[in-house]
Amino acid sequence: QSVLTQPPSVSAAPGQKVTISCSGSSSNVGSNFVSWYQQLPGTAPKLLIYEINKRPSGIPDRFSGSKSGTSATLGITGLQTGDEADYYCGTWDSSLNAGVFGGGTKLTVL
Amino acid sequence: EVQLVESGGGLVQPGGSLRLSCAVSGLTFSTYSMNWVRQAPGKGLEWVSYISTRNSPIYYADSVKGRFTISRDNAKNSLYLQMNSLRAEDTAVYYCARFWDTTVYMDVWGKGTTVTVSS
Repeated sequence: QSVLTQPPSVSAAPGQKVTISCSGSSSNVGSNFVSWYQQLPGTAPKLLIYEINKRPSGIPDRFSGSKSGTSATLGITGLQTGDEADYYCGTWDSSLNAGVFGGGTKLTVL
Repeated sequence: EVQLVESGGGLVQPGGSLRLSCAVSGLTFSTYSMNWVRQAPGKGLEWVSYISTRNSPIYYADSVKGRFTISRDNAKNSLYLQMNSLRAEDTAVYYCARFWDTTVYMDVWGKGTTVTVSS
């Protein structure tokens, strides 16, 4: 059971928009920055969003992040088949003194 | 180019030990905290352990506390994970990753090394 809660799967058509939620508590999402990671099949995770809504160099602005209270959201617009991957939210839990991840969301672009 | 390269994985019997290494290049290793993260087959990411720049503090996931030991050698630009009393549930791909303390994200990851615990 993951500390952060994500939907197991989401799907949308190419060109559409999708959002992935990440729910936590006051000791993790509520009090720390949230980051998002993309994991393509058979590869290592890649940082997608950090400090809630910043993108590393090379990540297109189709990807965005937001946070409200103890929940965070990843948004992806203009969906492409290459976006099919598993997406994870992550942060630090200040009470547990531990890194925490969501269980992951599998994105299918229909 | 920043690179993290894990090694040391393999097949080990339950109760056995392994030492994972993570060789870091392209950045000033001594100035960054590091994490180990693992992923069991078909499962999600699980944070394993954290070490700060000066070896303190160090934190572990409850699932490995007392069995795993994280360490670093800044002179060798290397991170380690000593894994003892291994269990079947420790079977996973193990990744090392650079960690930013204040903003709590991992921006550089290795490709991972596979640990299989089986008799």
